Amino acid sequence: KQEVTQIPAALSVPEGENLVLNCSFTDSAIYNLQWFRQDPGKGLTSLLLIQSSQREQTSGRLNASLDKSSGRSTLYIAASQPGDSATYLCAVSTDSWGKLQFGAGTQVVVTP
Amino acid sequence: GAVVSQHPSRVICKSGTSVKIECRSLDFQATTMFWYRQFPKQSLMLMATSNEGSKATYEQGVEKDKFLINHASLTLSTLTVTSAHPEDSSFYICSAREQSNSPLHFGNGTRLTVT
Repeated sequence: KQEVTQIPAALSVPEGENLVLNCSFTDSAIYNLQWFRQDPGKGLTSLLLIQSSQREQTSGRLNASLDKSSGRSTLYIAASQPGDSATYLCAVSTDSWGKLQFGAGTQVVVTP
Repeated sequence: GAVVSQHPSRVICKSGTSVKIECRSLDFQATTMFWYRQFPKQSLMLMATSNEGSKATYEQGVEKDKFLINHASLTLSTLTVTSAHPEDSSFYICSAREQSNSPLHFGNGTRLTVT
């Protein structure tokens, strides 16, 4: 059974620092991995999608890497801002149509 | 970009009543939609996969008679919580994708409180 773990559970950094969020999964047979952002009481916003054949994806200040063989993904957020404060979830897709297994998330607070 | 609309955003109901939650894909057709449940400070747990024109596939431990899912069209799926109880109080989120291996887009969720 696929298990997804995110470390740390919570993270607080001063504005301007780079953020490093880790995600690990137990079964390397994935279709893709997706990083999401969730604001309190809200739904999820898709940040980056990495296909199983890719090593990384970038969007603006965000960069996500994927090492499928070791079951790891890392989300980097450069030059953090208070608006980056949210919970970040990673999820792996176990089939081609999107059945996702989520990690518990990392709660990020960026202080001004 | 792709948008998924979920309604209502909040609902309070009394024990024993039923509540319907709608999930619509606004600018794309979604053959498959997913329903998740999230408890406070926990991750999303997949409840069921909703396929247009056929019966939903429920995850282990999810009562199909309690959580009725209907996917009547390519843009609409509904989740009905029947005979709701306080333990059904939770945050319910739907998601949809346009095609295989494209990003999943999520609704804003529905906060259900059963009194």
